[in-house]
Amino acid sequence: EVQLVESGGNLVQPGGSLRLSCAASGFTVSSNYVNWVRQAPGKGLEWVSIIYSGGSTFYADSLKGRFTISRDVSKNTVSLQMRNLRVEDTAVYYCVRGSRDGDTFDIWGQGTMVTVSS
Amino acid sequence: SYEVTQPPAVSVSPGETVSITCSGDKLGDNYVSWFQRRPGQSPVLVIYKDDERPSGIPERFSASNSGNTATLTISETQAMDEADYFCLAWIRRTPSYVFGTGTKVTVL
Repeated sequence: EVQLVESGGNLVQPGGSLRLSCAASGFTVSSNYVNWVRQAPGKGLEWVSIIYSGGSTFYADSLKGRFTISRDVSKNTVSLQMRNLRVEDTAVYYCVRGSRDGDTFDIWGQGTMVTVSS
Repeated sequence: SYEVTQPPAVSVSPGETVSITCSGDKLGDNYVSWFQRRPGQSPVLVIYKDDERPSGIPERFSASNSGNTATLTISETQAMDEADYFCLAWIRRTPSYVFGTGTKVTVL
């Protein structure tokens, strides 16, 4: 079964760091696009970042270099390193597989909650 | 930043047709996909590449994208179609993705 399972969400103080992890099963992260998408409480969905099968990475402009996406092919996982966190980063973070052509998303994880608060 | 807007809510009677729009500047220049999301569940892709249906999605779901507007149409609406629907625009040149604001469909 194709599945994505996120972990690592937690309560963190403003200015802190957090690393999210996404474990993939049923497919290999090295051969697929994998994204992070977030949804703040009461808000809409926001695309965060993507890592291509070839390893290229791209980010939403609003993140201004605070987040870094990476992958571990041996563990079949994708991670999101978040630094200098702000209150407005509070959200459920979803790991999402991109379609073969990269135009959309076809498999979503259940999400992990990140709360940034003092 | 690029924005894509949707009406917050629409309602439809069972068996009738409902259309949901996504609006954005030159949206027709980008591929749009549509998702259905029921409470407590992960989103389900119902349309990709403007008007393509994934396997398993009923023919009742159709879509188009041109100019500044993409439209999802649900024909012969059923109670099970009650859900939130949101569009996703793939801005290929960047690359980036922009979600629509979401529309709650209520089947009365």
